[in-house]
Amino acid sequence: NAGVTQTPKFQVLKTGQSMTLQCAQDMNHEYMSWYRQDPGMGLRLIHYSVGAGITDQGEVPNGYNVSRSTTEDFPLRLLSAAPSQTSVYFCASTRDYPYGEQYFGPGTRLTVT
Amino acid sequence: GENVEQHPSTLSVQEGDSAVIKCTYSDSASNYFPWYKQELGKRPQLIIDIRSNVGEKKDQRIAVTLNKTAKHFSLHITETQPEDSAVYFCAASNNNAGNMLTFGGGTRLMVKP
Repeated sequence: NAGVTQTPKFQVLKTGQSMTLQCAQDMNHEYMSWYRQDPGMGLRLIHYSVGAGITDQGEVPNGYNVSRSTTEDFPLRLLSAAPSQTSVYFCASTRDYPYGEQYFGPGTRLTVT
Repeated sequence: GENVEQHPSTLSVQEGDSAVIKCTYSDSASNYFPWYKQELGKRPQLIIDIRSNVGEKKDQRIAVTLNKTAKHFSLHITETQPEDSAVYFCAASNNNAGNMLTFGGGTRLMVKP
């Protein structure tokens, strides 16, 4: 199994541009989530999904959209990039929510200039 | 919502010494407390977790204790080794909180040989 994969690994955007961060998992996990990691602030939940067709907001959802059309894929869209969205983004999945291990992807380092 | 505070933010110990990282949480309904380790440039990985129906859990050199009355939990690493050097994150969740896992700000542990 590849586990959780993310693309791209690195991305530089200009303010106002949009893009989609891709996330896929091959473990048939129902629960998937997106986090951003900023120095000293831990991992903050952006959006999550408990299954195909179901998404909900996390702690810091503004400026981001998600969709979950299949169990495997959970893309994160930045609508109009801002410098405040410069961060490392991690996608994660788990089978046994809420008590199960979160399997994280390798992360995407995004810089918005 | 839940708020998780983690201390200290940095911790330096000599190889062979013990390390203790402490977290407090605000939501008394939280009932699952995992700890993740993140090595430099890598993804977070679960190292140990505890549910609210137990007060302590051990796994070789790692232990976690939970005090529900005081709403705090701690990670204990004994006989530290250089490979324990990493950032450690605590987290808390409950299945009433909109399926959200809330992380602390992280502790950078440095083990000096």
